[in-house]
Amino acid sequence: QKEVEQDPGPLSVPEGAIVSLNCTYSNSAFQYFMWYRQYSRKGPELLMYTYSSGNKEDGRFTAQVDKSSKYISLFIRDSQPSDSATYLCAMSAPNDYKLSFGAGTTVTVRA
Amino acid sequence: NAGVTQTPKFQVLKTGQSMTLQCAQDMNHEYMSWYRQDPGMGLRLIHYSVGAGITDQGEVPNGYNVSRSTTEDFPLRLLSAAPSQTSVYFCASSYNKGYEQYFGPGTRLTVT
Repeated sequence: QKEVEQDPGPLSVPEGAIVSLNCTYSNSAFQYFMWYRQYSRKGPELLMYTYSSGNKEDGRFTAQVDKSSKYISLFIRDSQPSDSATYLCAMSAPNDYKLSFGAGTTVTVRA
Repeated sequence: NAGVTQTPKFQVLKTGQSMTLQCAQDMNHEYMSWYRQDPGMGLRLIHYSVGAGITDQGEVPNGYNVSRSTTEDFPLRLLSAAPSQTSVYFCASSYNKGYEQYFGPGTRLTVT
């Protein structure tokens, strides 16, 4: 079993819809949770970063962490065609340099 | 700042050949790492470095070597290329342990 599980999709939604992405994990030591966005043939770029449990909002993006369920989510409100990309979750434990990534979910927002 | 740069962008090798993938960053980051990305597998850590002269293995280190003689550069060497090493390779750097890593544009490698 992988340490981080993420549904690869693909996910296709109409413009303006809410996109919901999630990952589950097995390592209870993870404290740092990240979402990266990767456009086709580009490197990943950091989108959201949260520490421990709770919610974090940045514009149209909301990241949620539920450590009791070992479950993290990313919501994209009012989705735009420019949001079409692969979204990767990543996480790490304190004092650990290494990130564990999910496989990525490919999202297409239809105009 | 150029951020994280990688060369070459594309490379085709024959089985058994060796080559070096270059990575450089101009952000004075101590932490640098190499990942490979394969369909359905996500990003897997090959090697990483926490500073000049210090390197360690990641999840999939076999067939790869690294060294870190300066803060800026972190080359990845393929010793004897195999078709299983066909992948997209990303270099990343960070100023804060492993968190908030900045990725380069990637090198697409095909081994025939």
